[in-house]
Amino acid sequence: NAGVTQTPKFRILKIGQSMTLQCTQDMNHNYMYWYRQDPGMGLKLIYYSVGAGITDKGEVPNGYNVSRSTTEDFPLRLELAAPSQTSVYFCASSSEGSRPEAFFGQGTRLTVV
Amino acid sequence: GNSVTQMEGPVTLSEEAFLTINCTYTATGYPSLFWYVQYPGEGLQLLLKATKADDKGSNKGFEATYRKETTSFHLEKGSVQVSDSAVYFCALSSYNQGGKLIFGQGTELSVKP
Repeated sequence: NAGVTQTPKFRILKIGQSMTLQCTQDMNHNYMYWYRQDPGMGLKLIYYSVGAGITDKGEVPNGYNVSRSTTEDFPLRLELAAPSQTSVYFCASSSEGSRPEAFFGQGTRLTVV
Repeated sequence: GNSVTQMEGPVTLSEEAFLTINCTYTATGYPSLFWYVQYPGEGLQLLLKATKADDKGSNKGFEATYRKETTSFHLEKGSVQVSDSAVYFCALSSYNQGGKLIFGQGTELSVKP
């Protein structure tokens, strides 16, 4: 009963490095999302996808890229890490329909130094 | 645009006290409303939801009523426990927007024995 799985759980990056945050779900959900959580700010949507091969920007997409080659996987790429990207990142998925529930992963805590 | 505003935290209560966390929203149409809970070191879990006006969501002793006239979705619990200590997020999603959520800033609750 895995649900949404994110890796890694923690990561420290140096400024200018790149990395990929992995996200996979086993619920056969078409919709997937990446959020970032900053202290006192709630969660902000970075990118989302409504199905394999389809992605779109959310509220705060700058500095990130995504791809969706399969229904299960939705990786988030940081190309040139900046201190402003220090945050906790959450992946989520949901079914289709007019009022679905979103299921969240455990999060990745990223620090850029 | 759509937005969610929660009462500021942290909130500190003694065990068995009554809890209210205020949440108001701004949205066009008829959004779905959610309360998510984040226990220390974990991802977000859906606590309860309501999809239309006057609906009451409930779970684990928590309740919230969708009030369209006051654009509110306040979270209540009659008697909190130490195990309820967590961060609580109010969120909304617009109709047919899948799981794209707009979050409030979160309210940290600490319950003392």
